[in-house]
Amino acid sequence: EVQLVESGGGLVQPGGSLRLSCAASGFPFDTYWMHWVRQGPGKGLVWVSRINSYGSITAYADSVRGRVTISRDNAKNTLYLQMSSLRPEDTAVYYCATAIGPGGRDFWGQGTLVTVSS
Amino acid sequence: EIVLTQSPGTLSLSPGERATLSCRASQSVSSTYLAWYKQKPGQAPRLLIYAASSRATGIPDKFSGSGSGTDFTLSINRLEPEDSAVYYCRQSGSAPEAFGQGTKVEIK
Repeated sequence: EVQLVESGGGLVQPGGSLRLSCAASGFPFDTYWMHWVRQGPGKGLVWVSRINSYGSITAYADSVRGRVTISRDNAKNTLYLQMSSLRPEDTAVYYCATAIGPGGRDFWGQGTLVTVSS
Repeated sequence: EIVLTQSPGTLSLSPGERATLSCRASQSVSSTYLAWYKQKPGQAPRLLIYAASSRATGIPDKFSGSGSGTDFTLSINRLEPEDSAVYYCRQSGSAPEAFGQGTKVEIK
């Protein structure tokens, strides 16, 4: 069974930092591009970042570029999102997700809530 | 940066009717990289359509996608109460990737 389990969310003050993790199992993690997607309270989906299967190519949304770093450890089947200089508008549920794979399937975690507030 | 604009914002239809959702891109998107998702409250999104017109694994044929270039459409036939959700289009061909703002489908 495929599982993506996010962790690391919580309450942080503006200007603070947080590292999110996404533990993957049940599929060949090291062959999939991976994404972070967020959703503010009552808002739509917003793409945040992606990383290729080797960890050598990354991309970011304009709203987070320079404040966020995506990385992965294929030996540990884990995806990361290091976030710094956090702002109230970064408050959201953060989902990790795979790219669409063979046969037209992708996989999503259940999300981890990040709240930026003083 | 490609911006996706979905319309209408909300669609209110009766069971058995057909829903037609639009997704317009600010510049051309390769069909290979255009997908549609369904999201219900409190749940992660679920992939419905990928490559503009291919149904994802396990998705019934009441869902269909079409379009190319800058204009894409998701159609849902024979609406049922469980089709009530927010539907998003997504382009993943060029970074930064993008989702549309969503269309809420309500079943009367």
